[in-house]
Amino acid sequence: FVLTQPASVSGSLGQSITISCAGTSGDVGSYNLVSWYQQHPGKAPKLIIYEGTKRPSGISNRFSGSKSGNTAALTISGLQAEDEADYYCCSYVGSRRRVFGGGTRLTVL
Amino acid sequence: EMQLVESGGVVVQPGESLRLSCAASGFTFNDYAMHWVRQGPGTGLEWVSYISWDGSSTDYGDSVKGRFTISRDNDKKSIYLQLNNLRVVDTALYYCVKDSGYNYFDSWGQGTLVTVSS
Repeated sequence: FVLTQPASVSGSLGQSITISCAGTSGDVGSYNLVSWYQQHPGKAPKLIIYEGTKRPSGISNRFSGSKSGNTAALTISGLQAEDEADYYCCSYVGSRRRVFGGGTRLTVL
Repeated sequence: EMQLVESGGVVVQPGESLRLSCAASGFTFNDYAMHWVRQGPGTGLEWVSYISWDGSSTDYGDSVKGRFTISRDNDKKSIYLQLNNLRVVDTALYYCVKDSGYNYFDSWGQGTLVTVSS
């Protein structure tokens, strides 16, 4: 995977966590086009953040995105049990291609 | 409501071929580019292929280039993925994914499972 994410993160109910997504100047660093997807076991991925910081309609404002240099980040505040899932970042890399991060398993304690 | 329904996934032997299909509904299909994304057993997401709204432009991930071919039929509101010379490492759940038009994926199918095993 071209984008590097931590394999796992954990947090307690009500706390905040941040998942990083490290890329390069050729992907994350060049475009404000990182998106984040949430995937529960046995389900298809679901868009939760697009264009780095924007939330689709219906997505809780507990989810927020940011970027600094070549690294994007997803922050989830006020952790809830239903946030336990896998999270993937994805970046546009020019032309028509996309690259994903390896995914991060979030455990809510 | 946007809906994508994949089909065609089966068990095949290495070297064999397969064609996946994806039927779309709930949006103006011929306005949007489409993609295939796959997910191996217990692993992460891998972008596989792209096709433009009119089929004139395509692209592929390095691991499948030269073996897979994407196509679409706007009259049937469908896209396809022809998988040739399959390898064990191609074993995955293949998702049909809609491009939002702004470089993110806004709708995913439920996937169709391809298993390559001798």
